[in-house]
Amino acid sequence: NAGVTQTPKFQVLKTGQSMTLQCAQDMNHNSMYWYRQDPGMGLRLIYYSASEGTTDKGEVPNGYNVSRLNKREFSLRLESAAPSQTSVYFCASNLSGYSPLHFGNGTRLTVT
Amino acid sequence: DAKTTQPPSMDCAEGRAANLPCNHSTISGNEYVYWYRQIHSQGPQYIIHGLKNNETNEMASLIITEDRKSSTLILPHATLRDTAVYYCNGIGANSKLTFGKGITLSVRP
Repeated sequence: NAGVTQTPKFQVLKTGQSMTLQCAQDMNHNSMYWYRQDPGMGLRLIYYSASEGTTDKGEVPNGYNVSRLNKREFSLRLESAAPSQTSVYFCASNLSGYSPLHFGNGTRLTVT
Repeated sequence: DAKTTQPPSMDCAEGRAANLPCNHSTISGNEYVYWYRQIHSQGPQYIIHGLKNNETNEMASLIITEDRKSSTLILPHATLRDTAVYYCNGIGANSKLTFGKGITLSVRP
């Protein structure tokens, strides 16, 4: 049982480049989330999808777009990467709002 | 989401109980108290949650005060592998599941 799988694990981008972070879960969860974690900042919610076909902004959505491709997959896109987006990105999922979150192991992104 | 307050850090000796406090004075009646931990740079891991009653599982115990304004996570016999950042959250049906900075627990040999 893989749980939540994130790809890639590491990525280096130049300013202005675009990329998509992939996330997939195999637990038949309804809700999925994208967080970023910067040193000393805890985790900040970027976007979430409460159910297939819906997405909503979190605390720090600027500079990002998301797609809930199907129930399993939730991708995060950086259209024009900036150094301020250097961070560790975590995807998570849960059955519903009250349920425990399951996290992936993160994507470490550096923008130069 | 309920606003939670945790001290930035604490330590304890290996084999002793670690009692991690959390204040959540603004928690609403339908919000659960959740605890997660993050070891090194891995993804956070769910530990335990509760609404009103104290809870225990194989990882920890959760003690919630009667007024629900604070809680304590207890690791009964801390090991070096319990060194991590521990997050306390108030989670309800419409929560956006935000995380604060947590408390860094250092278990010393």
